[in-house]
Amino acid sequence: DIQLTQSPSSLSASVGDRVILTCRASRGMRNELAWYQQKPGKAPKRLIYGASSLDSGVPSRFSGTGSGTEFTLTISSLQPEDFATYYCLQYNSYPRTFGQGTKVEIK
Amino acid sequence: EVQLVESGGGLVQPGGSLRLSCAASGFTFSAQWMDWVRQAPGKGLEWVANIKGDGSEMYYVDSVKGRFTISRDNAKNSLFLQLSSLRVEDTAVYYCSLKLDVLGQGTLVSVSS
Repeated sequence: DIQLTQSPSSLSASVGDRVILTCRASRGMRNELAWYQQKPGKAPKRLIYGASSLDSGVPSRFSGTGSGTEFTLTISSLQPEDFATYYCLQYNSYPRTFGQGTKVEIK
Repeated sequence: EVQLVESGGGLVQPGGSLRLSCAASGFTFSAQWMDWVRQAPGKGLEWVANIKGDGSEMYYVDSVKGRFTISRDNAKNSLFLQLSSLRVEDTAVYYCSLKLDVLGQGTLVSVSS
């Protein structure tokens, strides 16, 4: 199984900050990685697929990069509605696996 | 617009069974892989299973193999998850998903005596 490790587990940031979240895979992949945002009591919403493709309707302040074993999600200028938990997912092989999540909190 | 509406959750005793359903609309259901994802209270996301559009292939996470069965009825645009031999650790919100692109709002399964 491919294990995904997200870092940090949580972070505190201010509105307007640039935030970088990391997802490391236990073995190399091409670009079969997605990022999801989840707010309390809500279903997860996909933001990025194919490591760097932005889902329709997702603000351009979100961007994804990476390949192999290291992937990043960047929020260029944090907005109040971005405070949430973010998960990465690999769909390179079975079983599909998620990272443990990064909680982005208000500073 | 893609819509996924789960139902069938509830409280069940350990060792019991439950059948979850997902009503899908807004896309060609029979052509798409469908997944189930779950989330235990206060925990992260866990992929559970998926099934090919024609129902010919299915995959499961090891922790549910032999206990859960994913199926679909393409004539009714419906996805199912049969949960058997339930354990306390199966307590979670279960989300239906279109190819892990979009997830429904979820249905809560509670396993407790």
